[in-house]
Amino acid sequence: DQQVKQNSPSLSVQEGRISILNCDYTNSMFDYFLWYKKYPAEGPTFLISISSIKDKNEDGRFTVFLNKSAKHLSLHIVPSQPGDSAVYFCAASGGGNQFYFGTGTSLTVIP
Amino acid sequence: EADIYQTPRYLVIGTGKKITLECSQTMGHDKMYWYQQDPGMELHLIHYSYGVNSTEKGDLSSESTVSRIRTEHFPLTLESARPSHTSQYLCASSELGRANDGYTFGSGTRLTVV
Repeated sequence: DQQVKQNSPSLSVQEGRISILNCDYTNSMFDYFLWYKKYPAEGPTFLISISSIKDKNEDGRFTVFLNKSAKHLSLHIVPSQPGDSAVYFCAASGGGNQFYFGTGTSLTVIP
Repeated sequence: EADIYQTPRYLVIGTGKKITLECSQTMGHDKMYWYQQDPGMELHLIHYSYGVNSTEKGDLSSESTVSRIRTEHFPLTLESARPSHTSQYLCASSELGRANDGYTFGSGTRLTVV
C-alpha cells in the first residue's frame, strides 16, 4: 500500500512562473518530510526538508508547505527556471531512518 | 564529485547469471540503503544496513542479498538473475542518527535481464 502519493506524474510551467508540486501521505505517524530532485541518469539529490513542528520551510527559490490535518505537502518553486526541469520526489519518515518515497512528478520549465 | 559510487551504471545480462552491483561511499556514513525503482513507480527499500556486519531487509521483498564487511562498501548480489529483476537499483547512505539530513544517493545501476 502506497503511503506517499504524488498524483501528478508531470507538470509544465513557463519560465519565471511558479511551479507547485503536490504530495499526499496516509500515515499520521510521519513527522519528517523531504523533497528530492532527480535528473536523468543521475541519483536523486536532496533539495529541502520540513519537520511536523513547522508548516513552512524556505530555502531560496524553494518553499515547502506542510498541512498536517490534510496530510498534504507541497513544494513551490519561484521563479521557475529551465534548469529546474527534473523529476521531483517527496519522501516521508516516521522516525527510524526509513523514508517512504512517492512516484515522482516530472517538471518541465519552458523557456 | 560524487561521494557515493555505483558500478556498473548499466548492465544487460542473461537469465540465470549471478551478478553483483557495487556501491561504495567515501563519507564514512554508517547507514547504507538499496532502493529499487521501476519506471514511473516509487522507490522501494529492499535492503539497509546500520553498520559493519549489520544488514536488514526492507519493505519490498527481494531475492537479492547484501553484505557489509566494510563501512564504505555495500554490494548487492543476485545469485540467479531473472527478467523480473529488470529495474533501476539506487544505493544511498546517511549518517547514523542524522537521516533527517537526507540521504546521499548514487547514480544508480540500470539492470536489464534478458
